[in-house]
Amino acid sequence: GQQVMQIPQYQHVQEGEDFTTYCNSSTTLSNIQWYKQRPGGHPVFLIQLVKSGEVKKQKRLTFQFGEAKKNSSLHITATQTTDVGTYFCAGTSGNTPLVFGKGTRLSVIA
Amino acid sequence: NAGVMQNPRHLVRRRGQEARLRCSPMKGHSHVYWYRQLPEEGLKFMVYLQKENIIDESGMPKERFSAEFPKEGPSILRIQQVVRGDSAAYFCASSPPAQGRHTGELFFGEGSRLTVL
Repeated sequence: GQQVMQIPQYQHVQEGEDFTTYCNSSTTLSNIQWYKQRPGGHPVFLIQLVKSGEVKKQKRLTFQFGEAKKNSSLHITATQTTDVGTYFCAGTSGNTPLVFGKGTRLSVIA
Repeated sequence: NAGVMQNPRHLVRRRGQEARLRCSPMKGHSHVYWYRQLPEEGLKFMVYLQKENIIDESGMPKERFSAEFPKEGPSILRIQQVVRGDSAAYFCASSPPAQGRHTGELFFGEGSRLTVL
């Protein structure tokens, strides 16, 4: 079945450093979504990407969808302590349920 | 507009007991999804329901687990004869009817954390 892999599993950065998490799917996706989950919290939707090669920005966050629609990345510029949490990608091939990666847990040291 | 409401937030059961988790979707939403999350893991899809219909239950274990979304009232995830391996956070998510199946933003509740002793 469809698998979604995320790397790295953990990332510790100094406040102000950049952060990137990568997501790879075993199958071509129709869309990919990103969610953020704070410690002890619930997943909160960040964005959805649909088009091949799409790039979207939200303030310090940049999301990319690969040309082959099998990979994606999330880049955070100049991390802040409020960025702490686990970032999940989730993809679907159309009529299949969203498959979540295991997430990248980001720690930011002030 | 209240978000997705889940209760109980925390539930402790002994092996062999039953667990019932409830989820009320956001107002105007008619699609409900249940996901399970183990510690340090991602979310695993369990079931997708609309009112009075199970649309996709491909992620549900074949035994002991069932889900419903009646015409009136919340969606319920029921786990019979719980075992220690059922300990997890169970998240419910909803989406509006205009969204296609398995597309678009999911709005998650705060989860129900089940501990089986």
